[in-house]
Amino acid sequence: GAGVSQTPSNKVTEKGKYVELRCDPISGHTALYWYRQSLGQGPEFLIYFQGTGAADDSGLPNDRFFAVRPEGSVSTLKIQRTERGDSAVYLCASSPGQGDEQYFGPGTRLTVT
Amino acid sequence: GIQVEQSPPDLILQEGANSTLRCNFSDSVNNLQWFHQNPWGQLINLFYIPSGTKQNGRLSATTVATERYSLLYISSSQTTDSGVYFCAVDRPYSGAGSYQLTFGKGTKLSVIP
Repeated sequence: GAGVSQTPSNKVTEKGKYVELRCDPISGHTALYWYRQSLGQGPEFLIYFQGTGAADDSGLPNDRFFAVRPEGSVSTLKIQRTERGDSAVYLCASSPGQGDEQYFGPGTRLTVT
Repeated sequence: GIQVEQSPPDLILQEGANSTLRCNFSDSVNNLQWFHQNPWGQLINLFYIPSGTKQNGRLSATTVATERYSLLYISSSQTTDSGVYFCAVDRPYSGAGSYQLTFGKGTKLSVIP
C-alpha cells in the first residue's frame, strides 16, 4: 500500500517568510509524528498527534512552529517568520497506534536564505 | 531524557564482509527500531525489535532489553547497504514526552566493491 507522503519535497524560502509543510500518513494510522533532521544528525522529535489532537508538542523549538491535524489524517506543519536556523529536513512518520512501529515519509528539505 | 549511543560512528567494509553495529540505551524502552537511511534521505524500516532476535535476509538484529543494548548484524555486505544506520527508542508511557522516538547519531557505513 501507499506509504507516508510529504509535500513539497524541497522548499526554498526567504528569511522572515511563512511556510507550510504537508504530511499524508498511511491510511488508517491514528498516530502521526513530526521530526526535524539537521545535517549529520539523527532526527529530533517535534510534535505527536493521536487522532486530531496534539498529544505532545514538547519538541517544538519555539512559538513560530505550529502543527495541525484537523480531520485526524493529513497534517500541516506551519513555520512563521522563518530563520536560517530553521533550514533542515522535516520528516513525518505515522504508526497504527501510539507506541507502534513508526514509518517515515521522504521528508521536506527546507532551505531558508 | 533517554540517551542512545551508537557505535562505531563510521565503518568501511569490503563488499562481502560481515559487520556488527551496536546501540546502547540508558533506560528501559517500549519500542526499539533500526532504520537504514539511504543516500536520498529516506528512512527505511529494518526491524521493530524491543526484545529478542529477528532475521530478514542478510540482516538480523538482537535486543537484550535487560542489558539495554541492541545489535544489528549485516552479512555478505553489498554496495547497496551503504548509508547511515540509525537506532531509535521510545520510553514506556509515562505522560508527556512518550511515544516520541529518540535517535542515536547513527553509524555511517560505506561498502566498497
